Amino acid sequence: DIQMTQSPSSLSASVGDRVTIICRASQSISAYLNWYQQKPGKAPVLLIYAASTLQSGVPSRFSGSGSETDFTLTISSLQPEDFASYYCQQSFISPPTFGQGTKVELK
Amino acid sequence: QLQLQETGPGLVKPSETLSLTCIVSGGSISRSSRYWGWIRQPPGKGLEWVGSIYSSGSTYYNPSLKSRVTISVDTSKNQFSLKLSSVTAADAAVYYCATYSGDYSLPIDHWGQGTLVTVSS
Repeated sequence: DIQMTQSPSSLSASVGDRVTIICRASQSISAYLNWYQQKPGKAPVLLIYAASTLQSGVPSRFSGSGSETDFTLTISSLQPEDFASYYCQQSFISPPTFGQGTKVELK
Repeated sequence: QLQLQETGPGLVKPSETLSLTCIVSGGSISRSSRYWGWIRQPPGKGLEWVGSIYSSGSTYYNPSLKSRVTISVDTSKNQFSLKLSSVTAADAAVYYCATYSGDYSLPIDHWGQGTLVTVSS
């Protein structure tokens, strides 16, 4: 299986901060990379697919970049509703695998 | 807009079979070029893909669970199901049904709300 490693595992930030989350794949996955946001007790929500394409309805402060093995999710100006956990997921090779998650907390 | 809802027992005994159903509304399982699948999340932990079934009927399972998993579709009821046999405490999790299109990176764009399954005698 392809291993997905996110860093950091958690971070503390303030409203208005720029936040960057890194996701690294154990082998090249081209751009077969998706990002999800999950709030406590809720299902994940798709934010970005194909590494950099914003899902319809997702605020433009979210952006994704990267290819092959290194990817980033950036929140340009953190809003109160963005405090949540974020997961990357590869779909290049089955089984699809997820990163361990990054929890964004209020500083 | 597709909506998915999981149903099934919240408590399963060790060594028995976990059975869950996902009821789909807002679209037809059989008339869509989509994958219909299950993802689970143990309490406080990350996400694990269990498996999926394509609208054509082809199934795909996580090799770590393959010998115990069966996913099937009932087009007459517009629902699909998960069976996981010989469960242990390690199978306790919130189980999400979900669907994704055949787009480039297979993004999972619709999820059920999730159902917690506890494994205990």
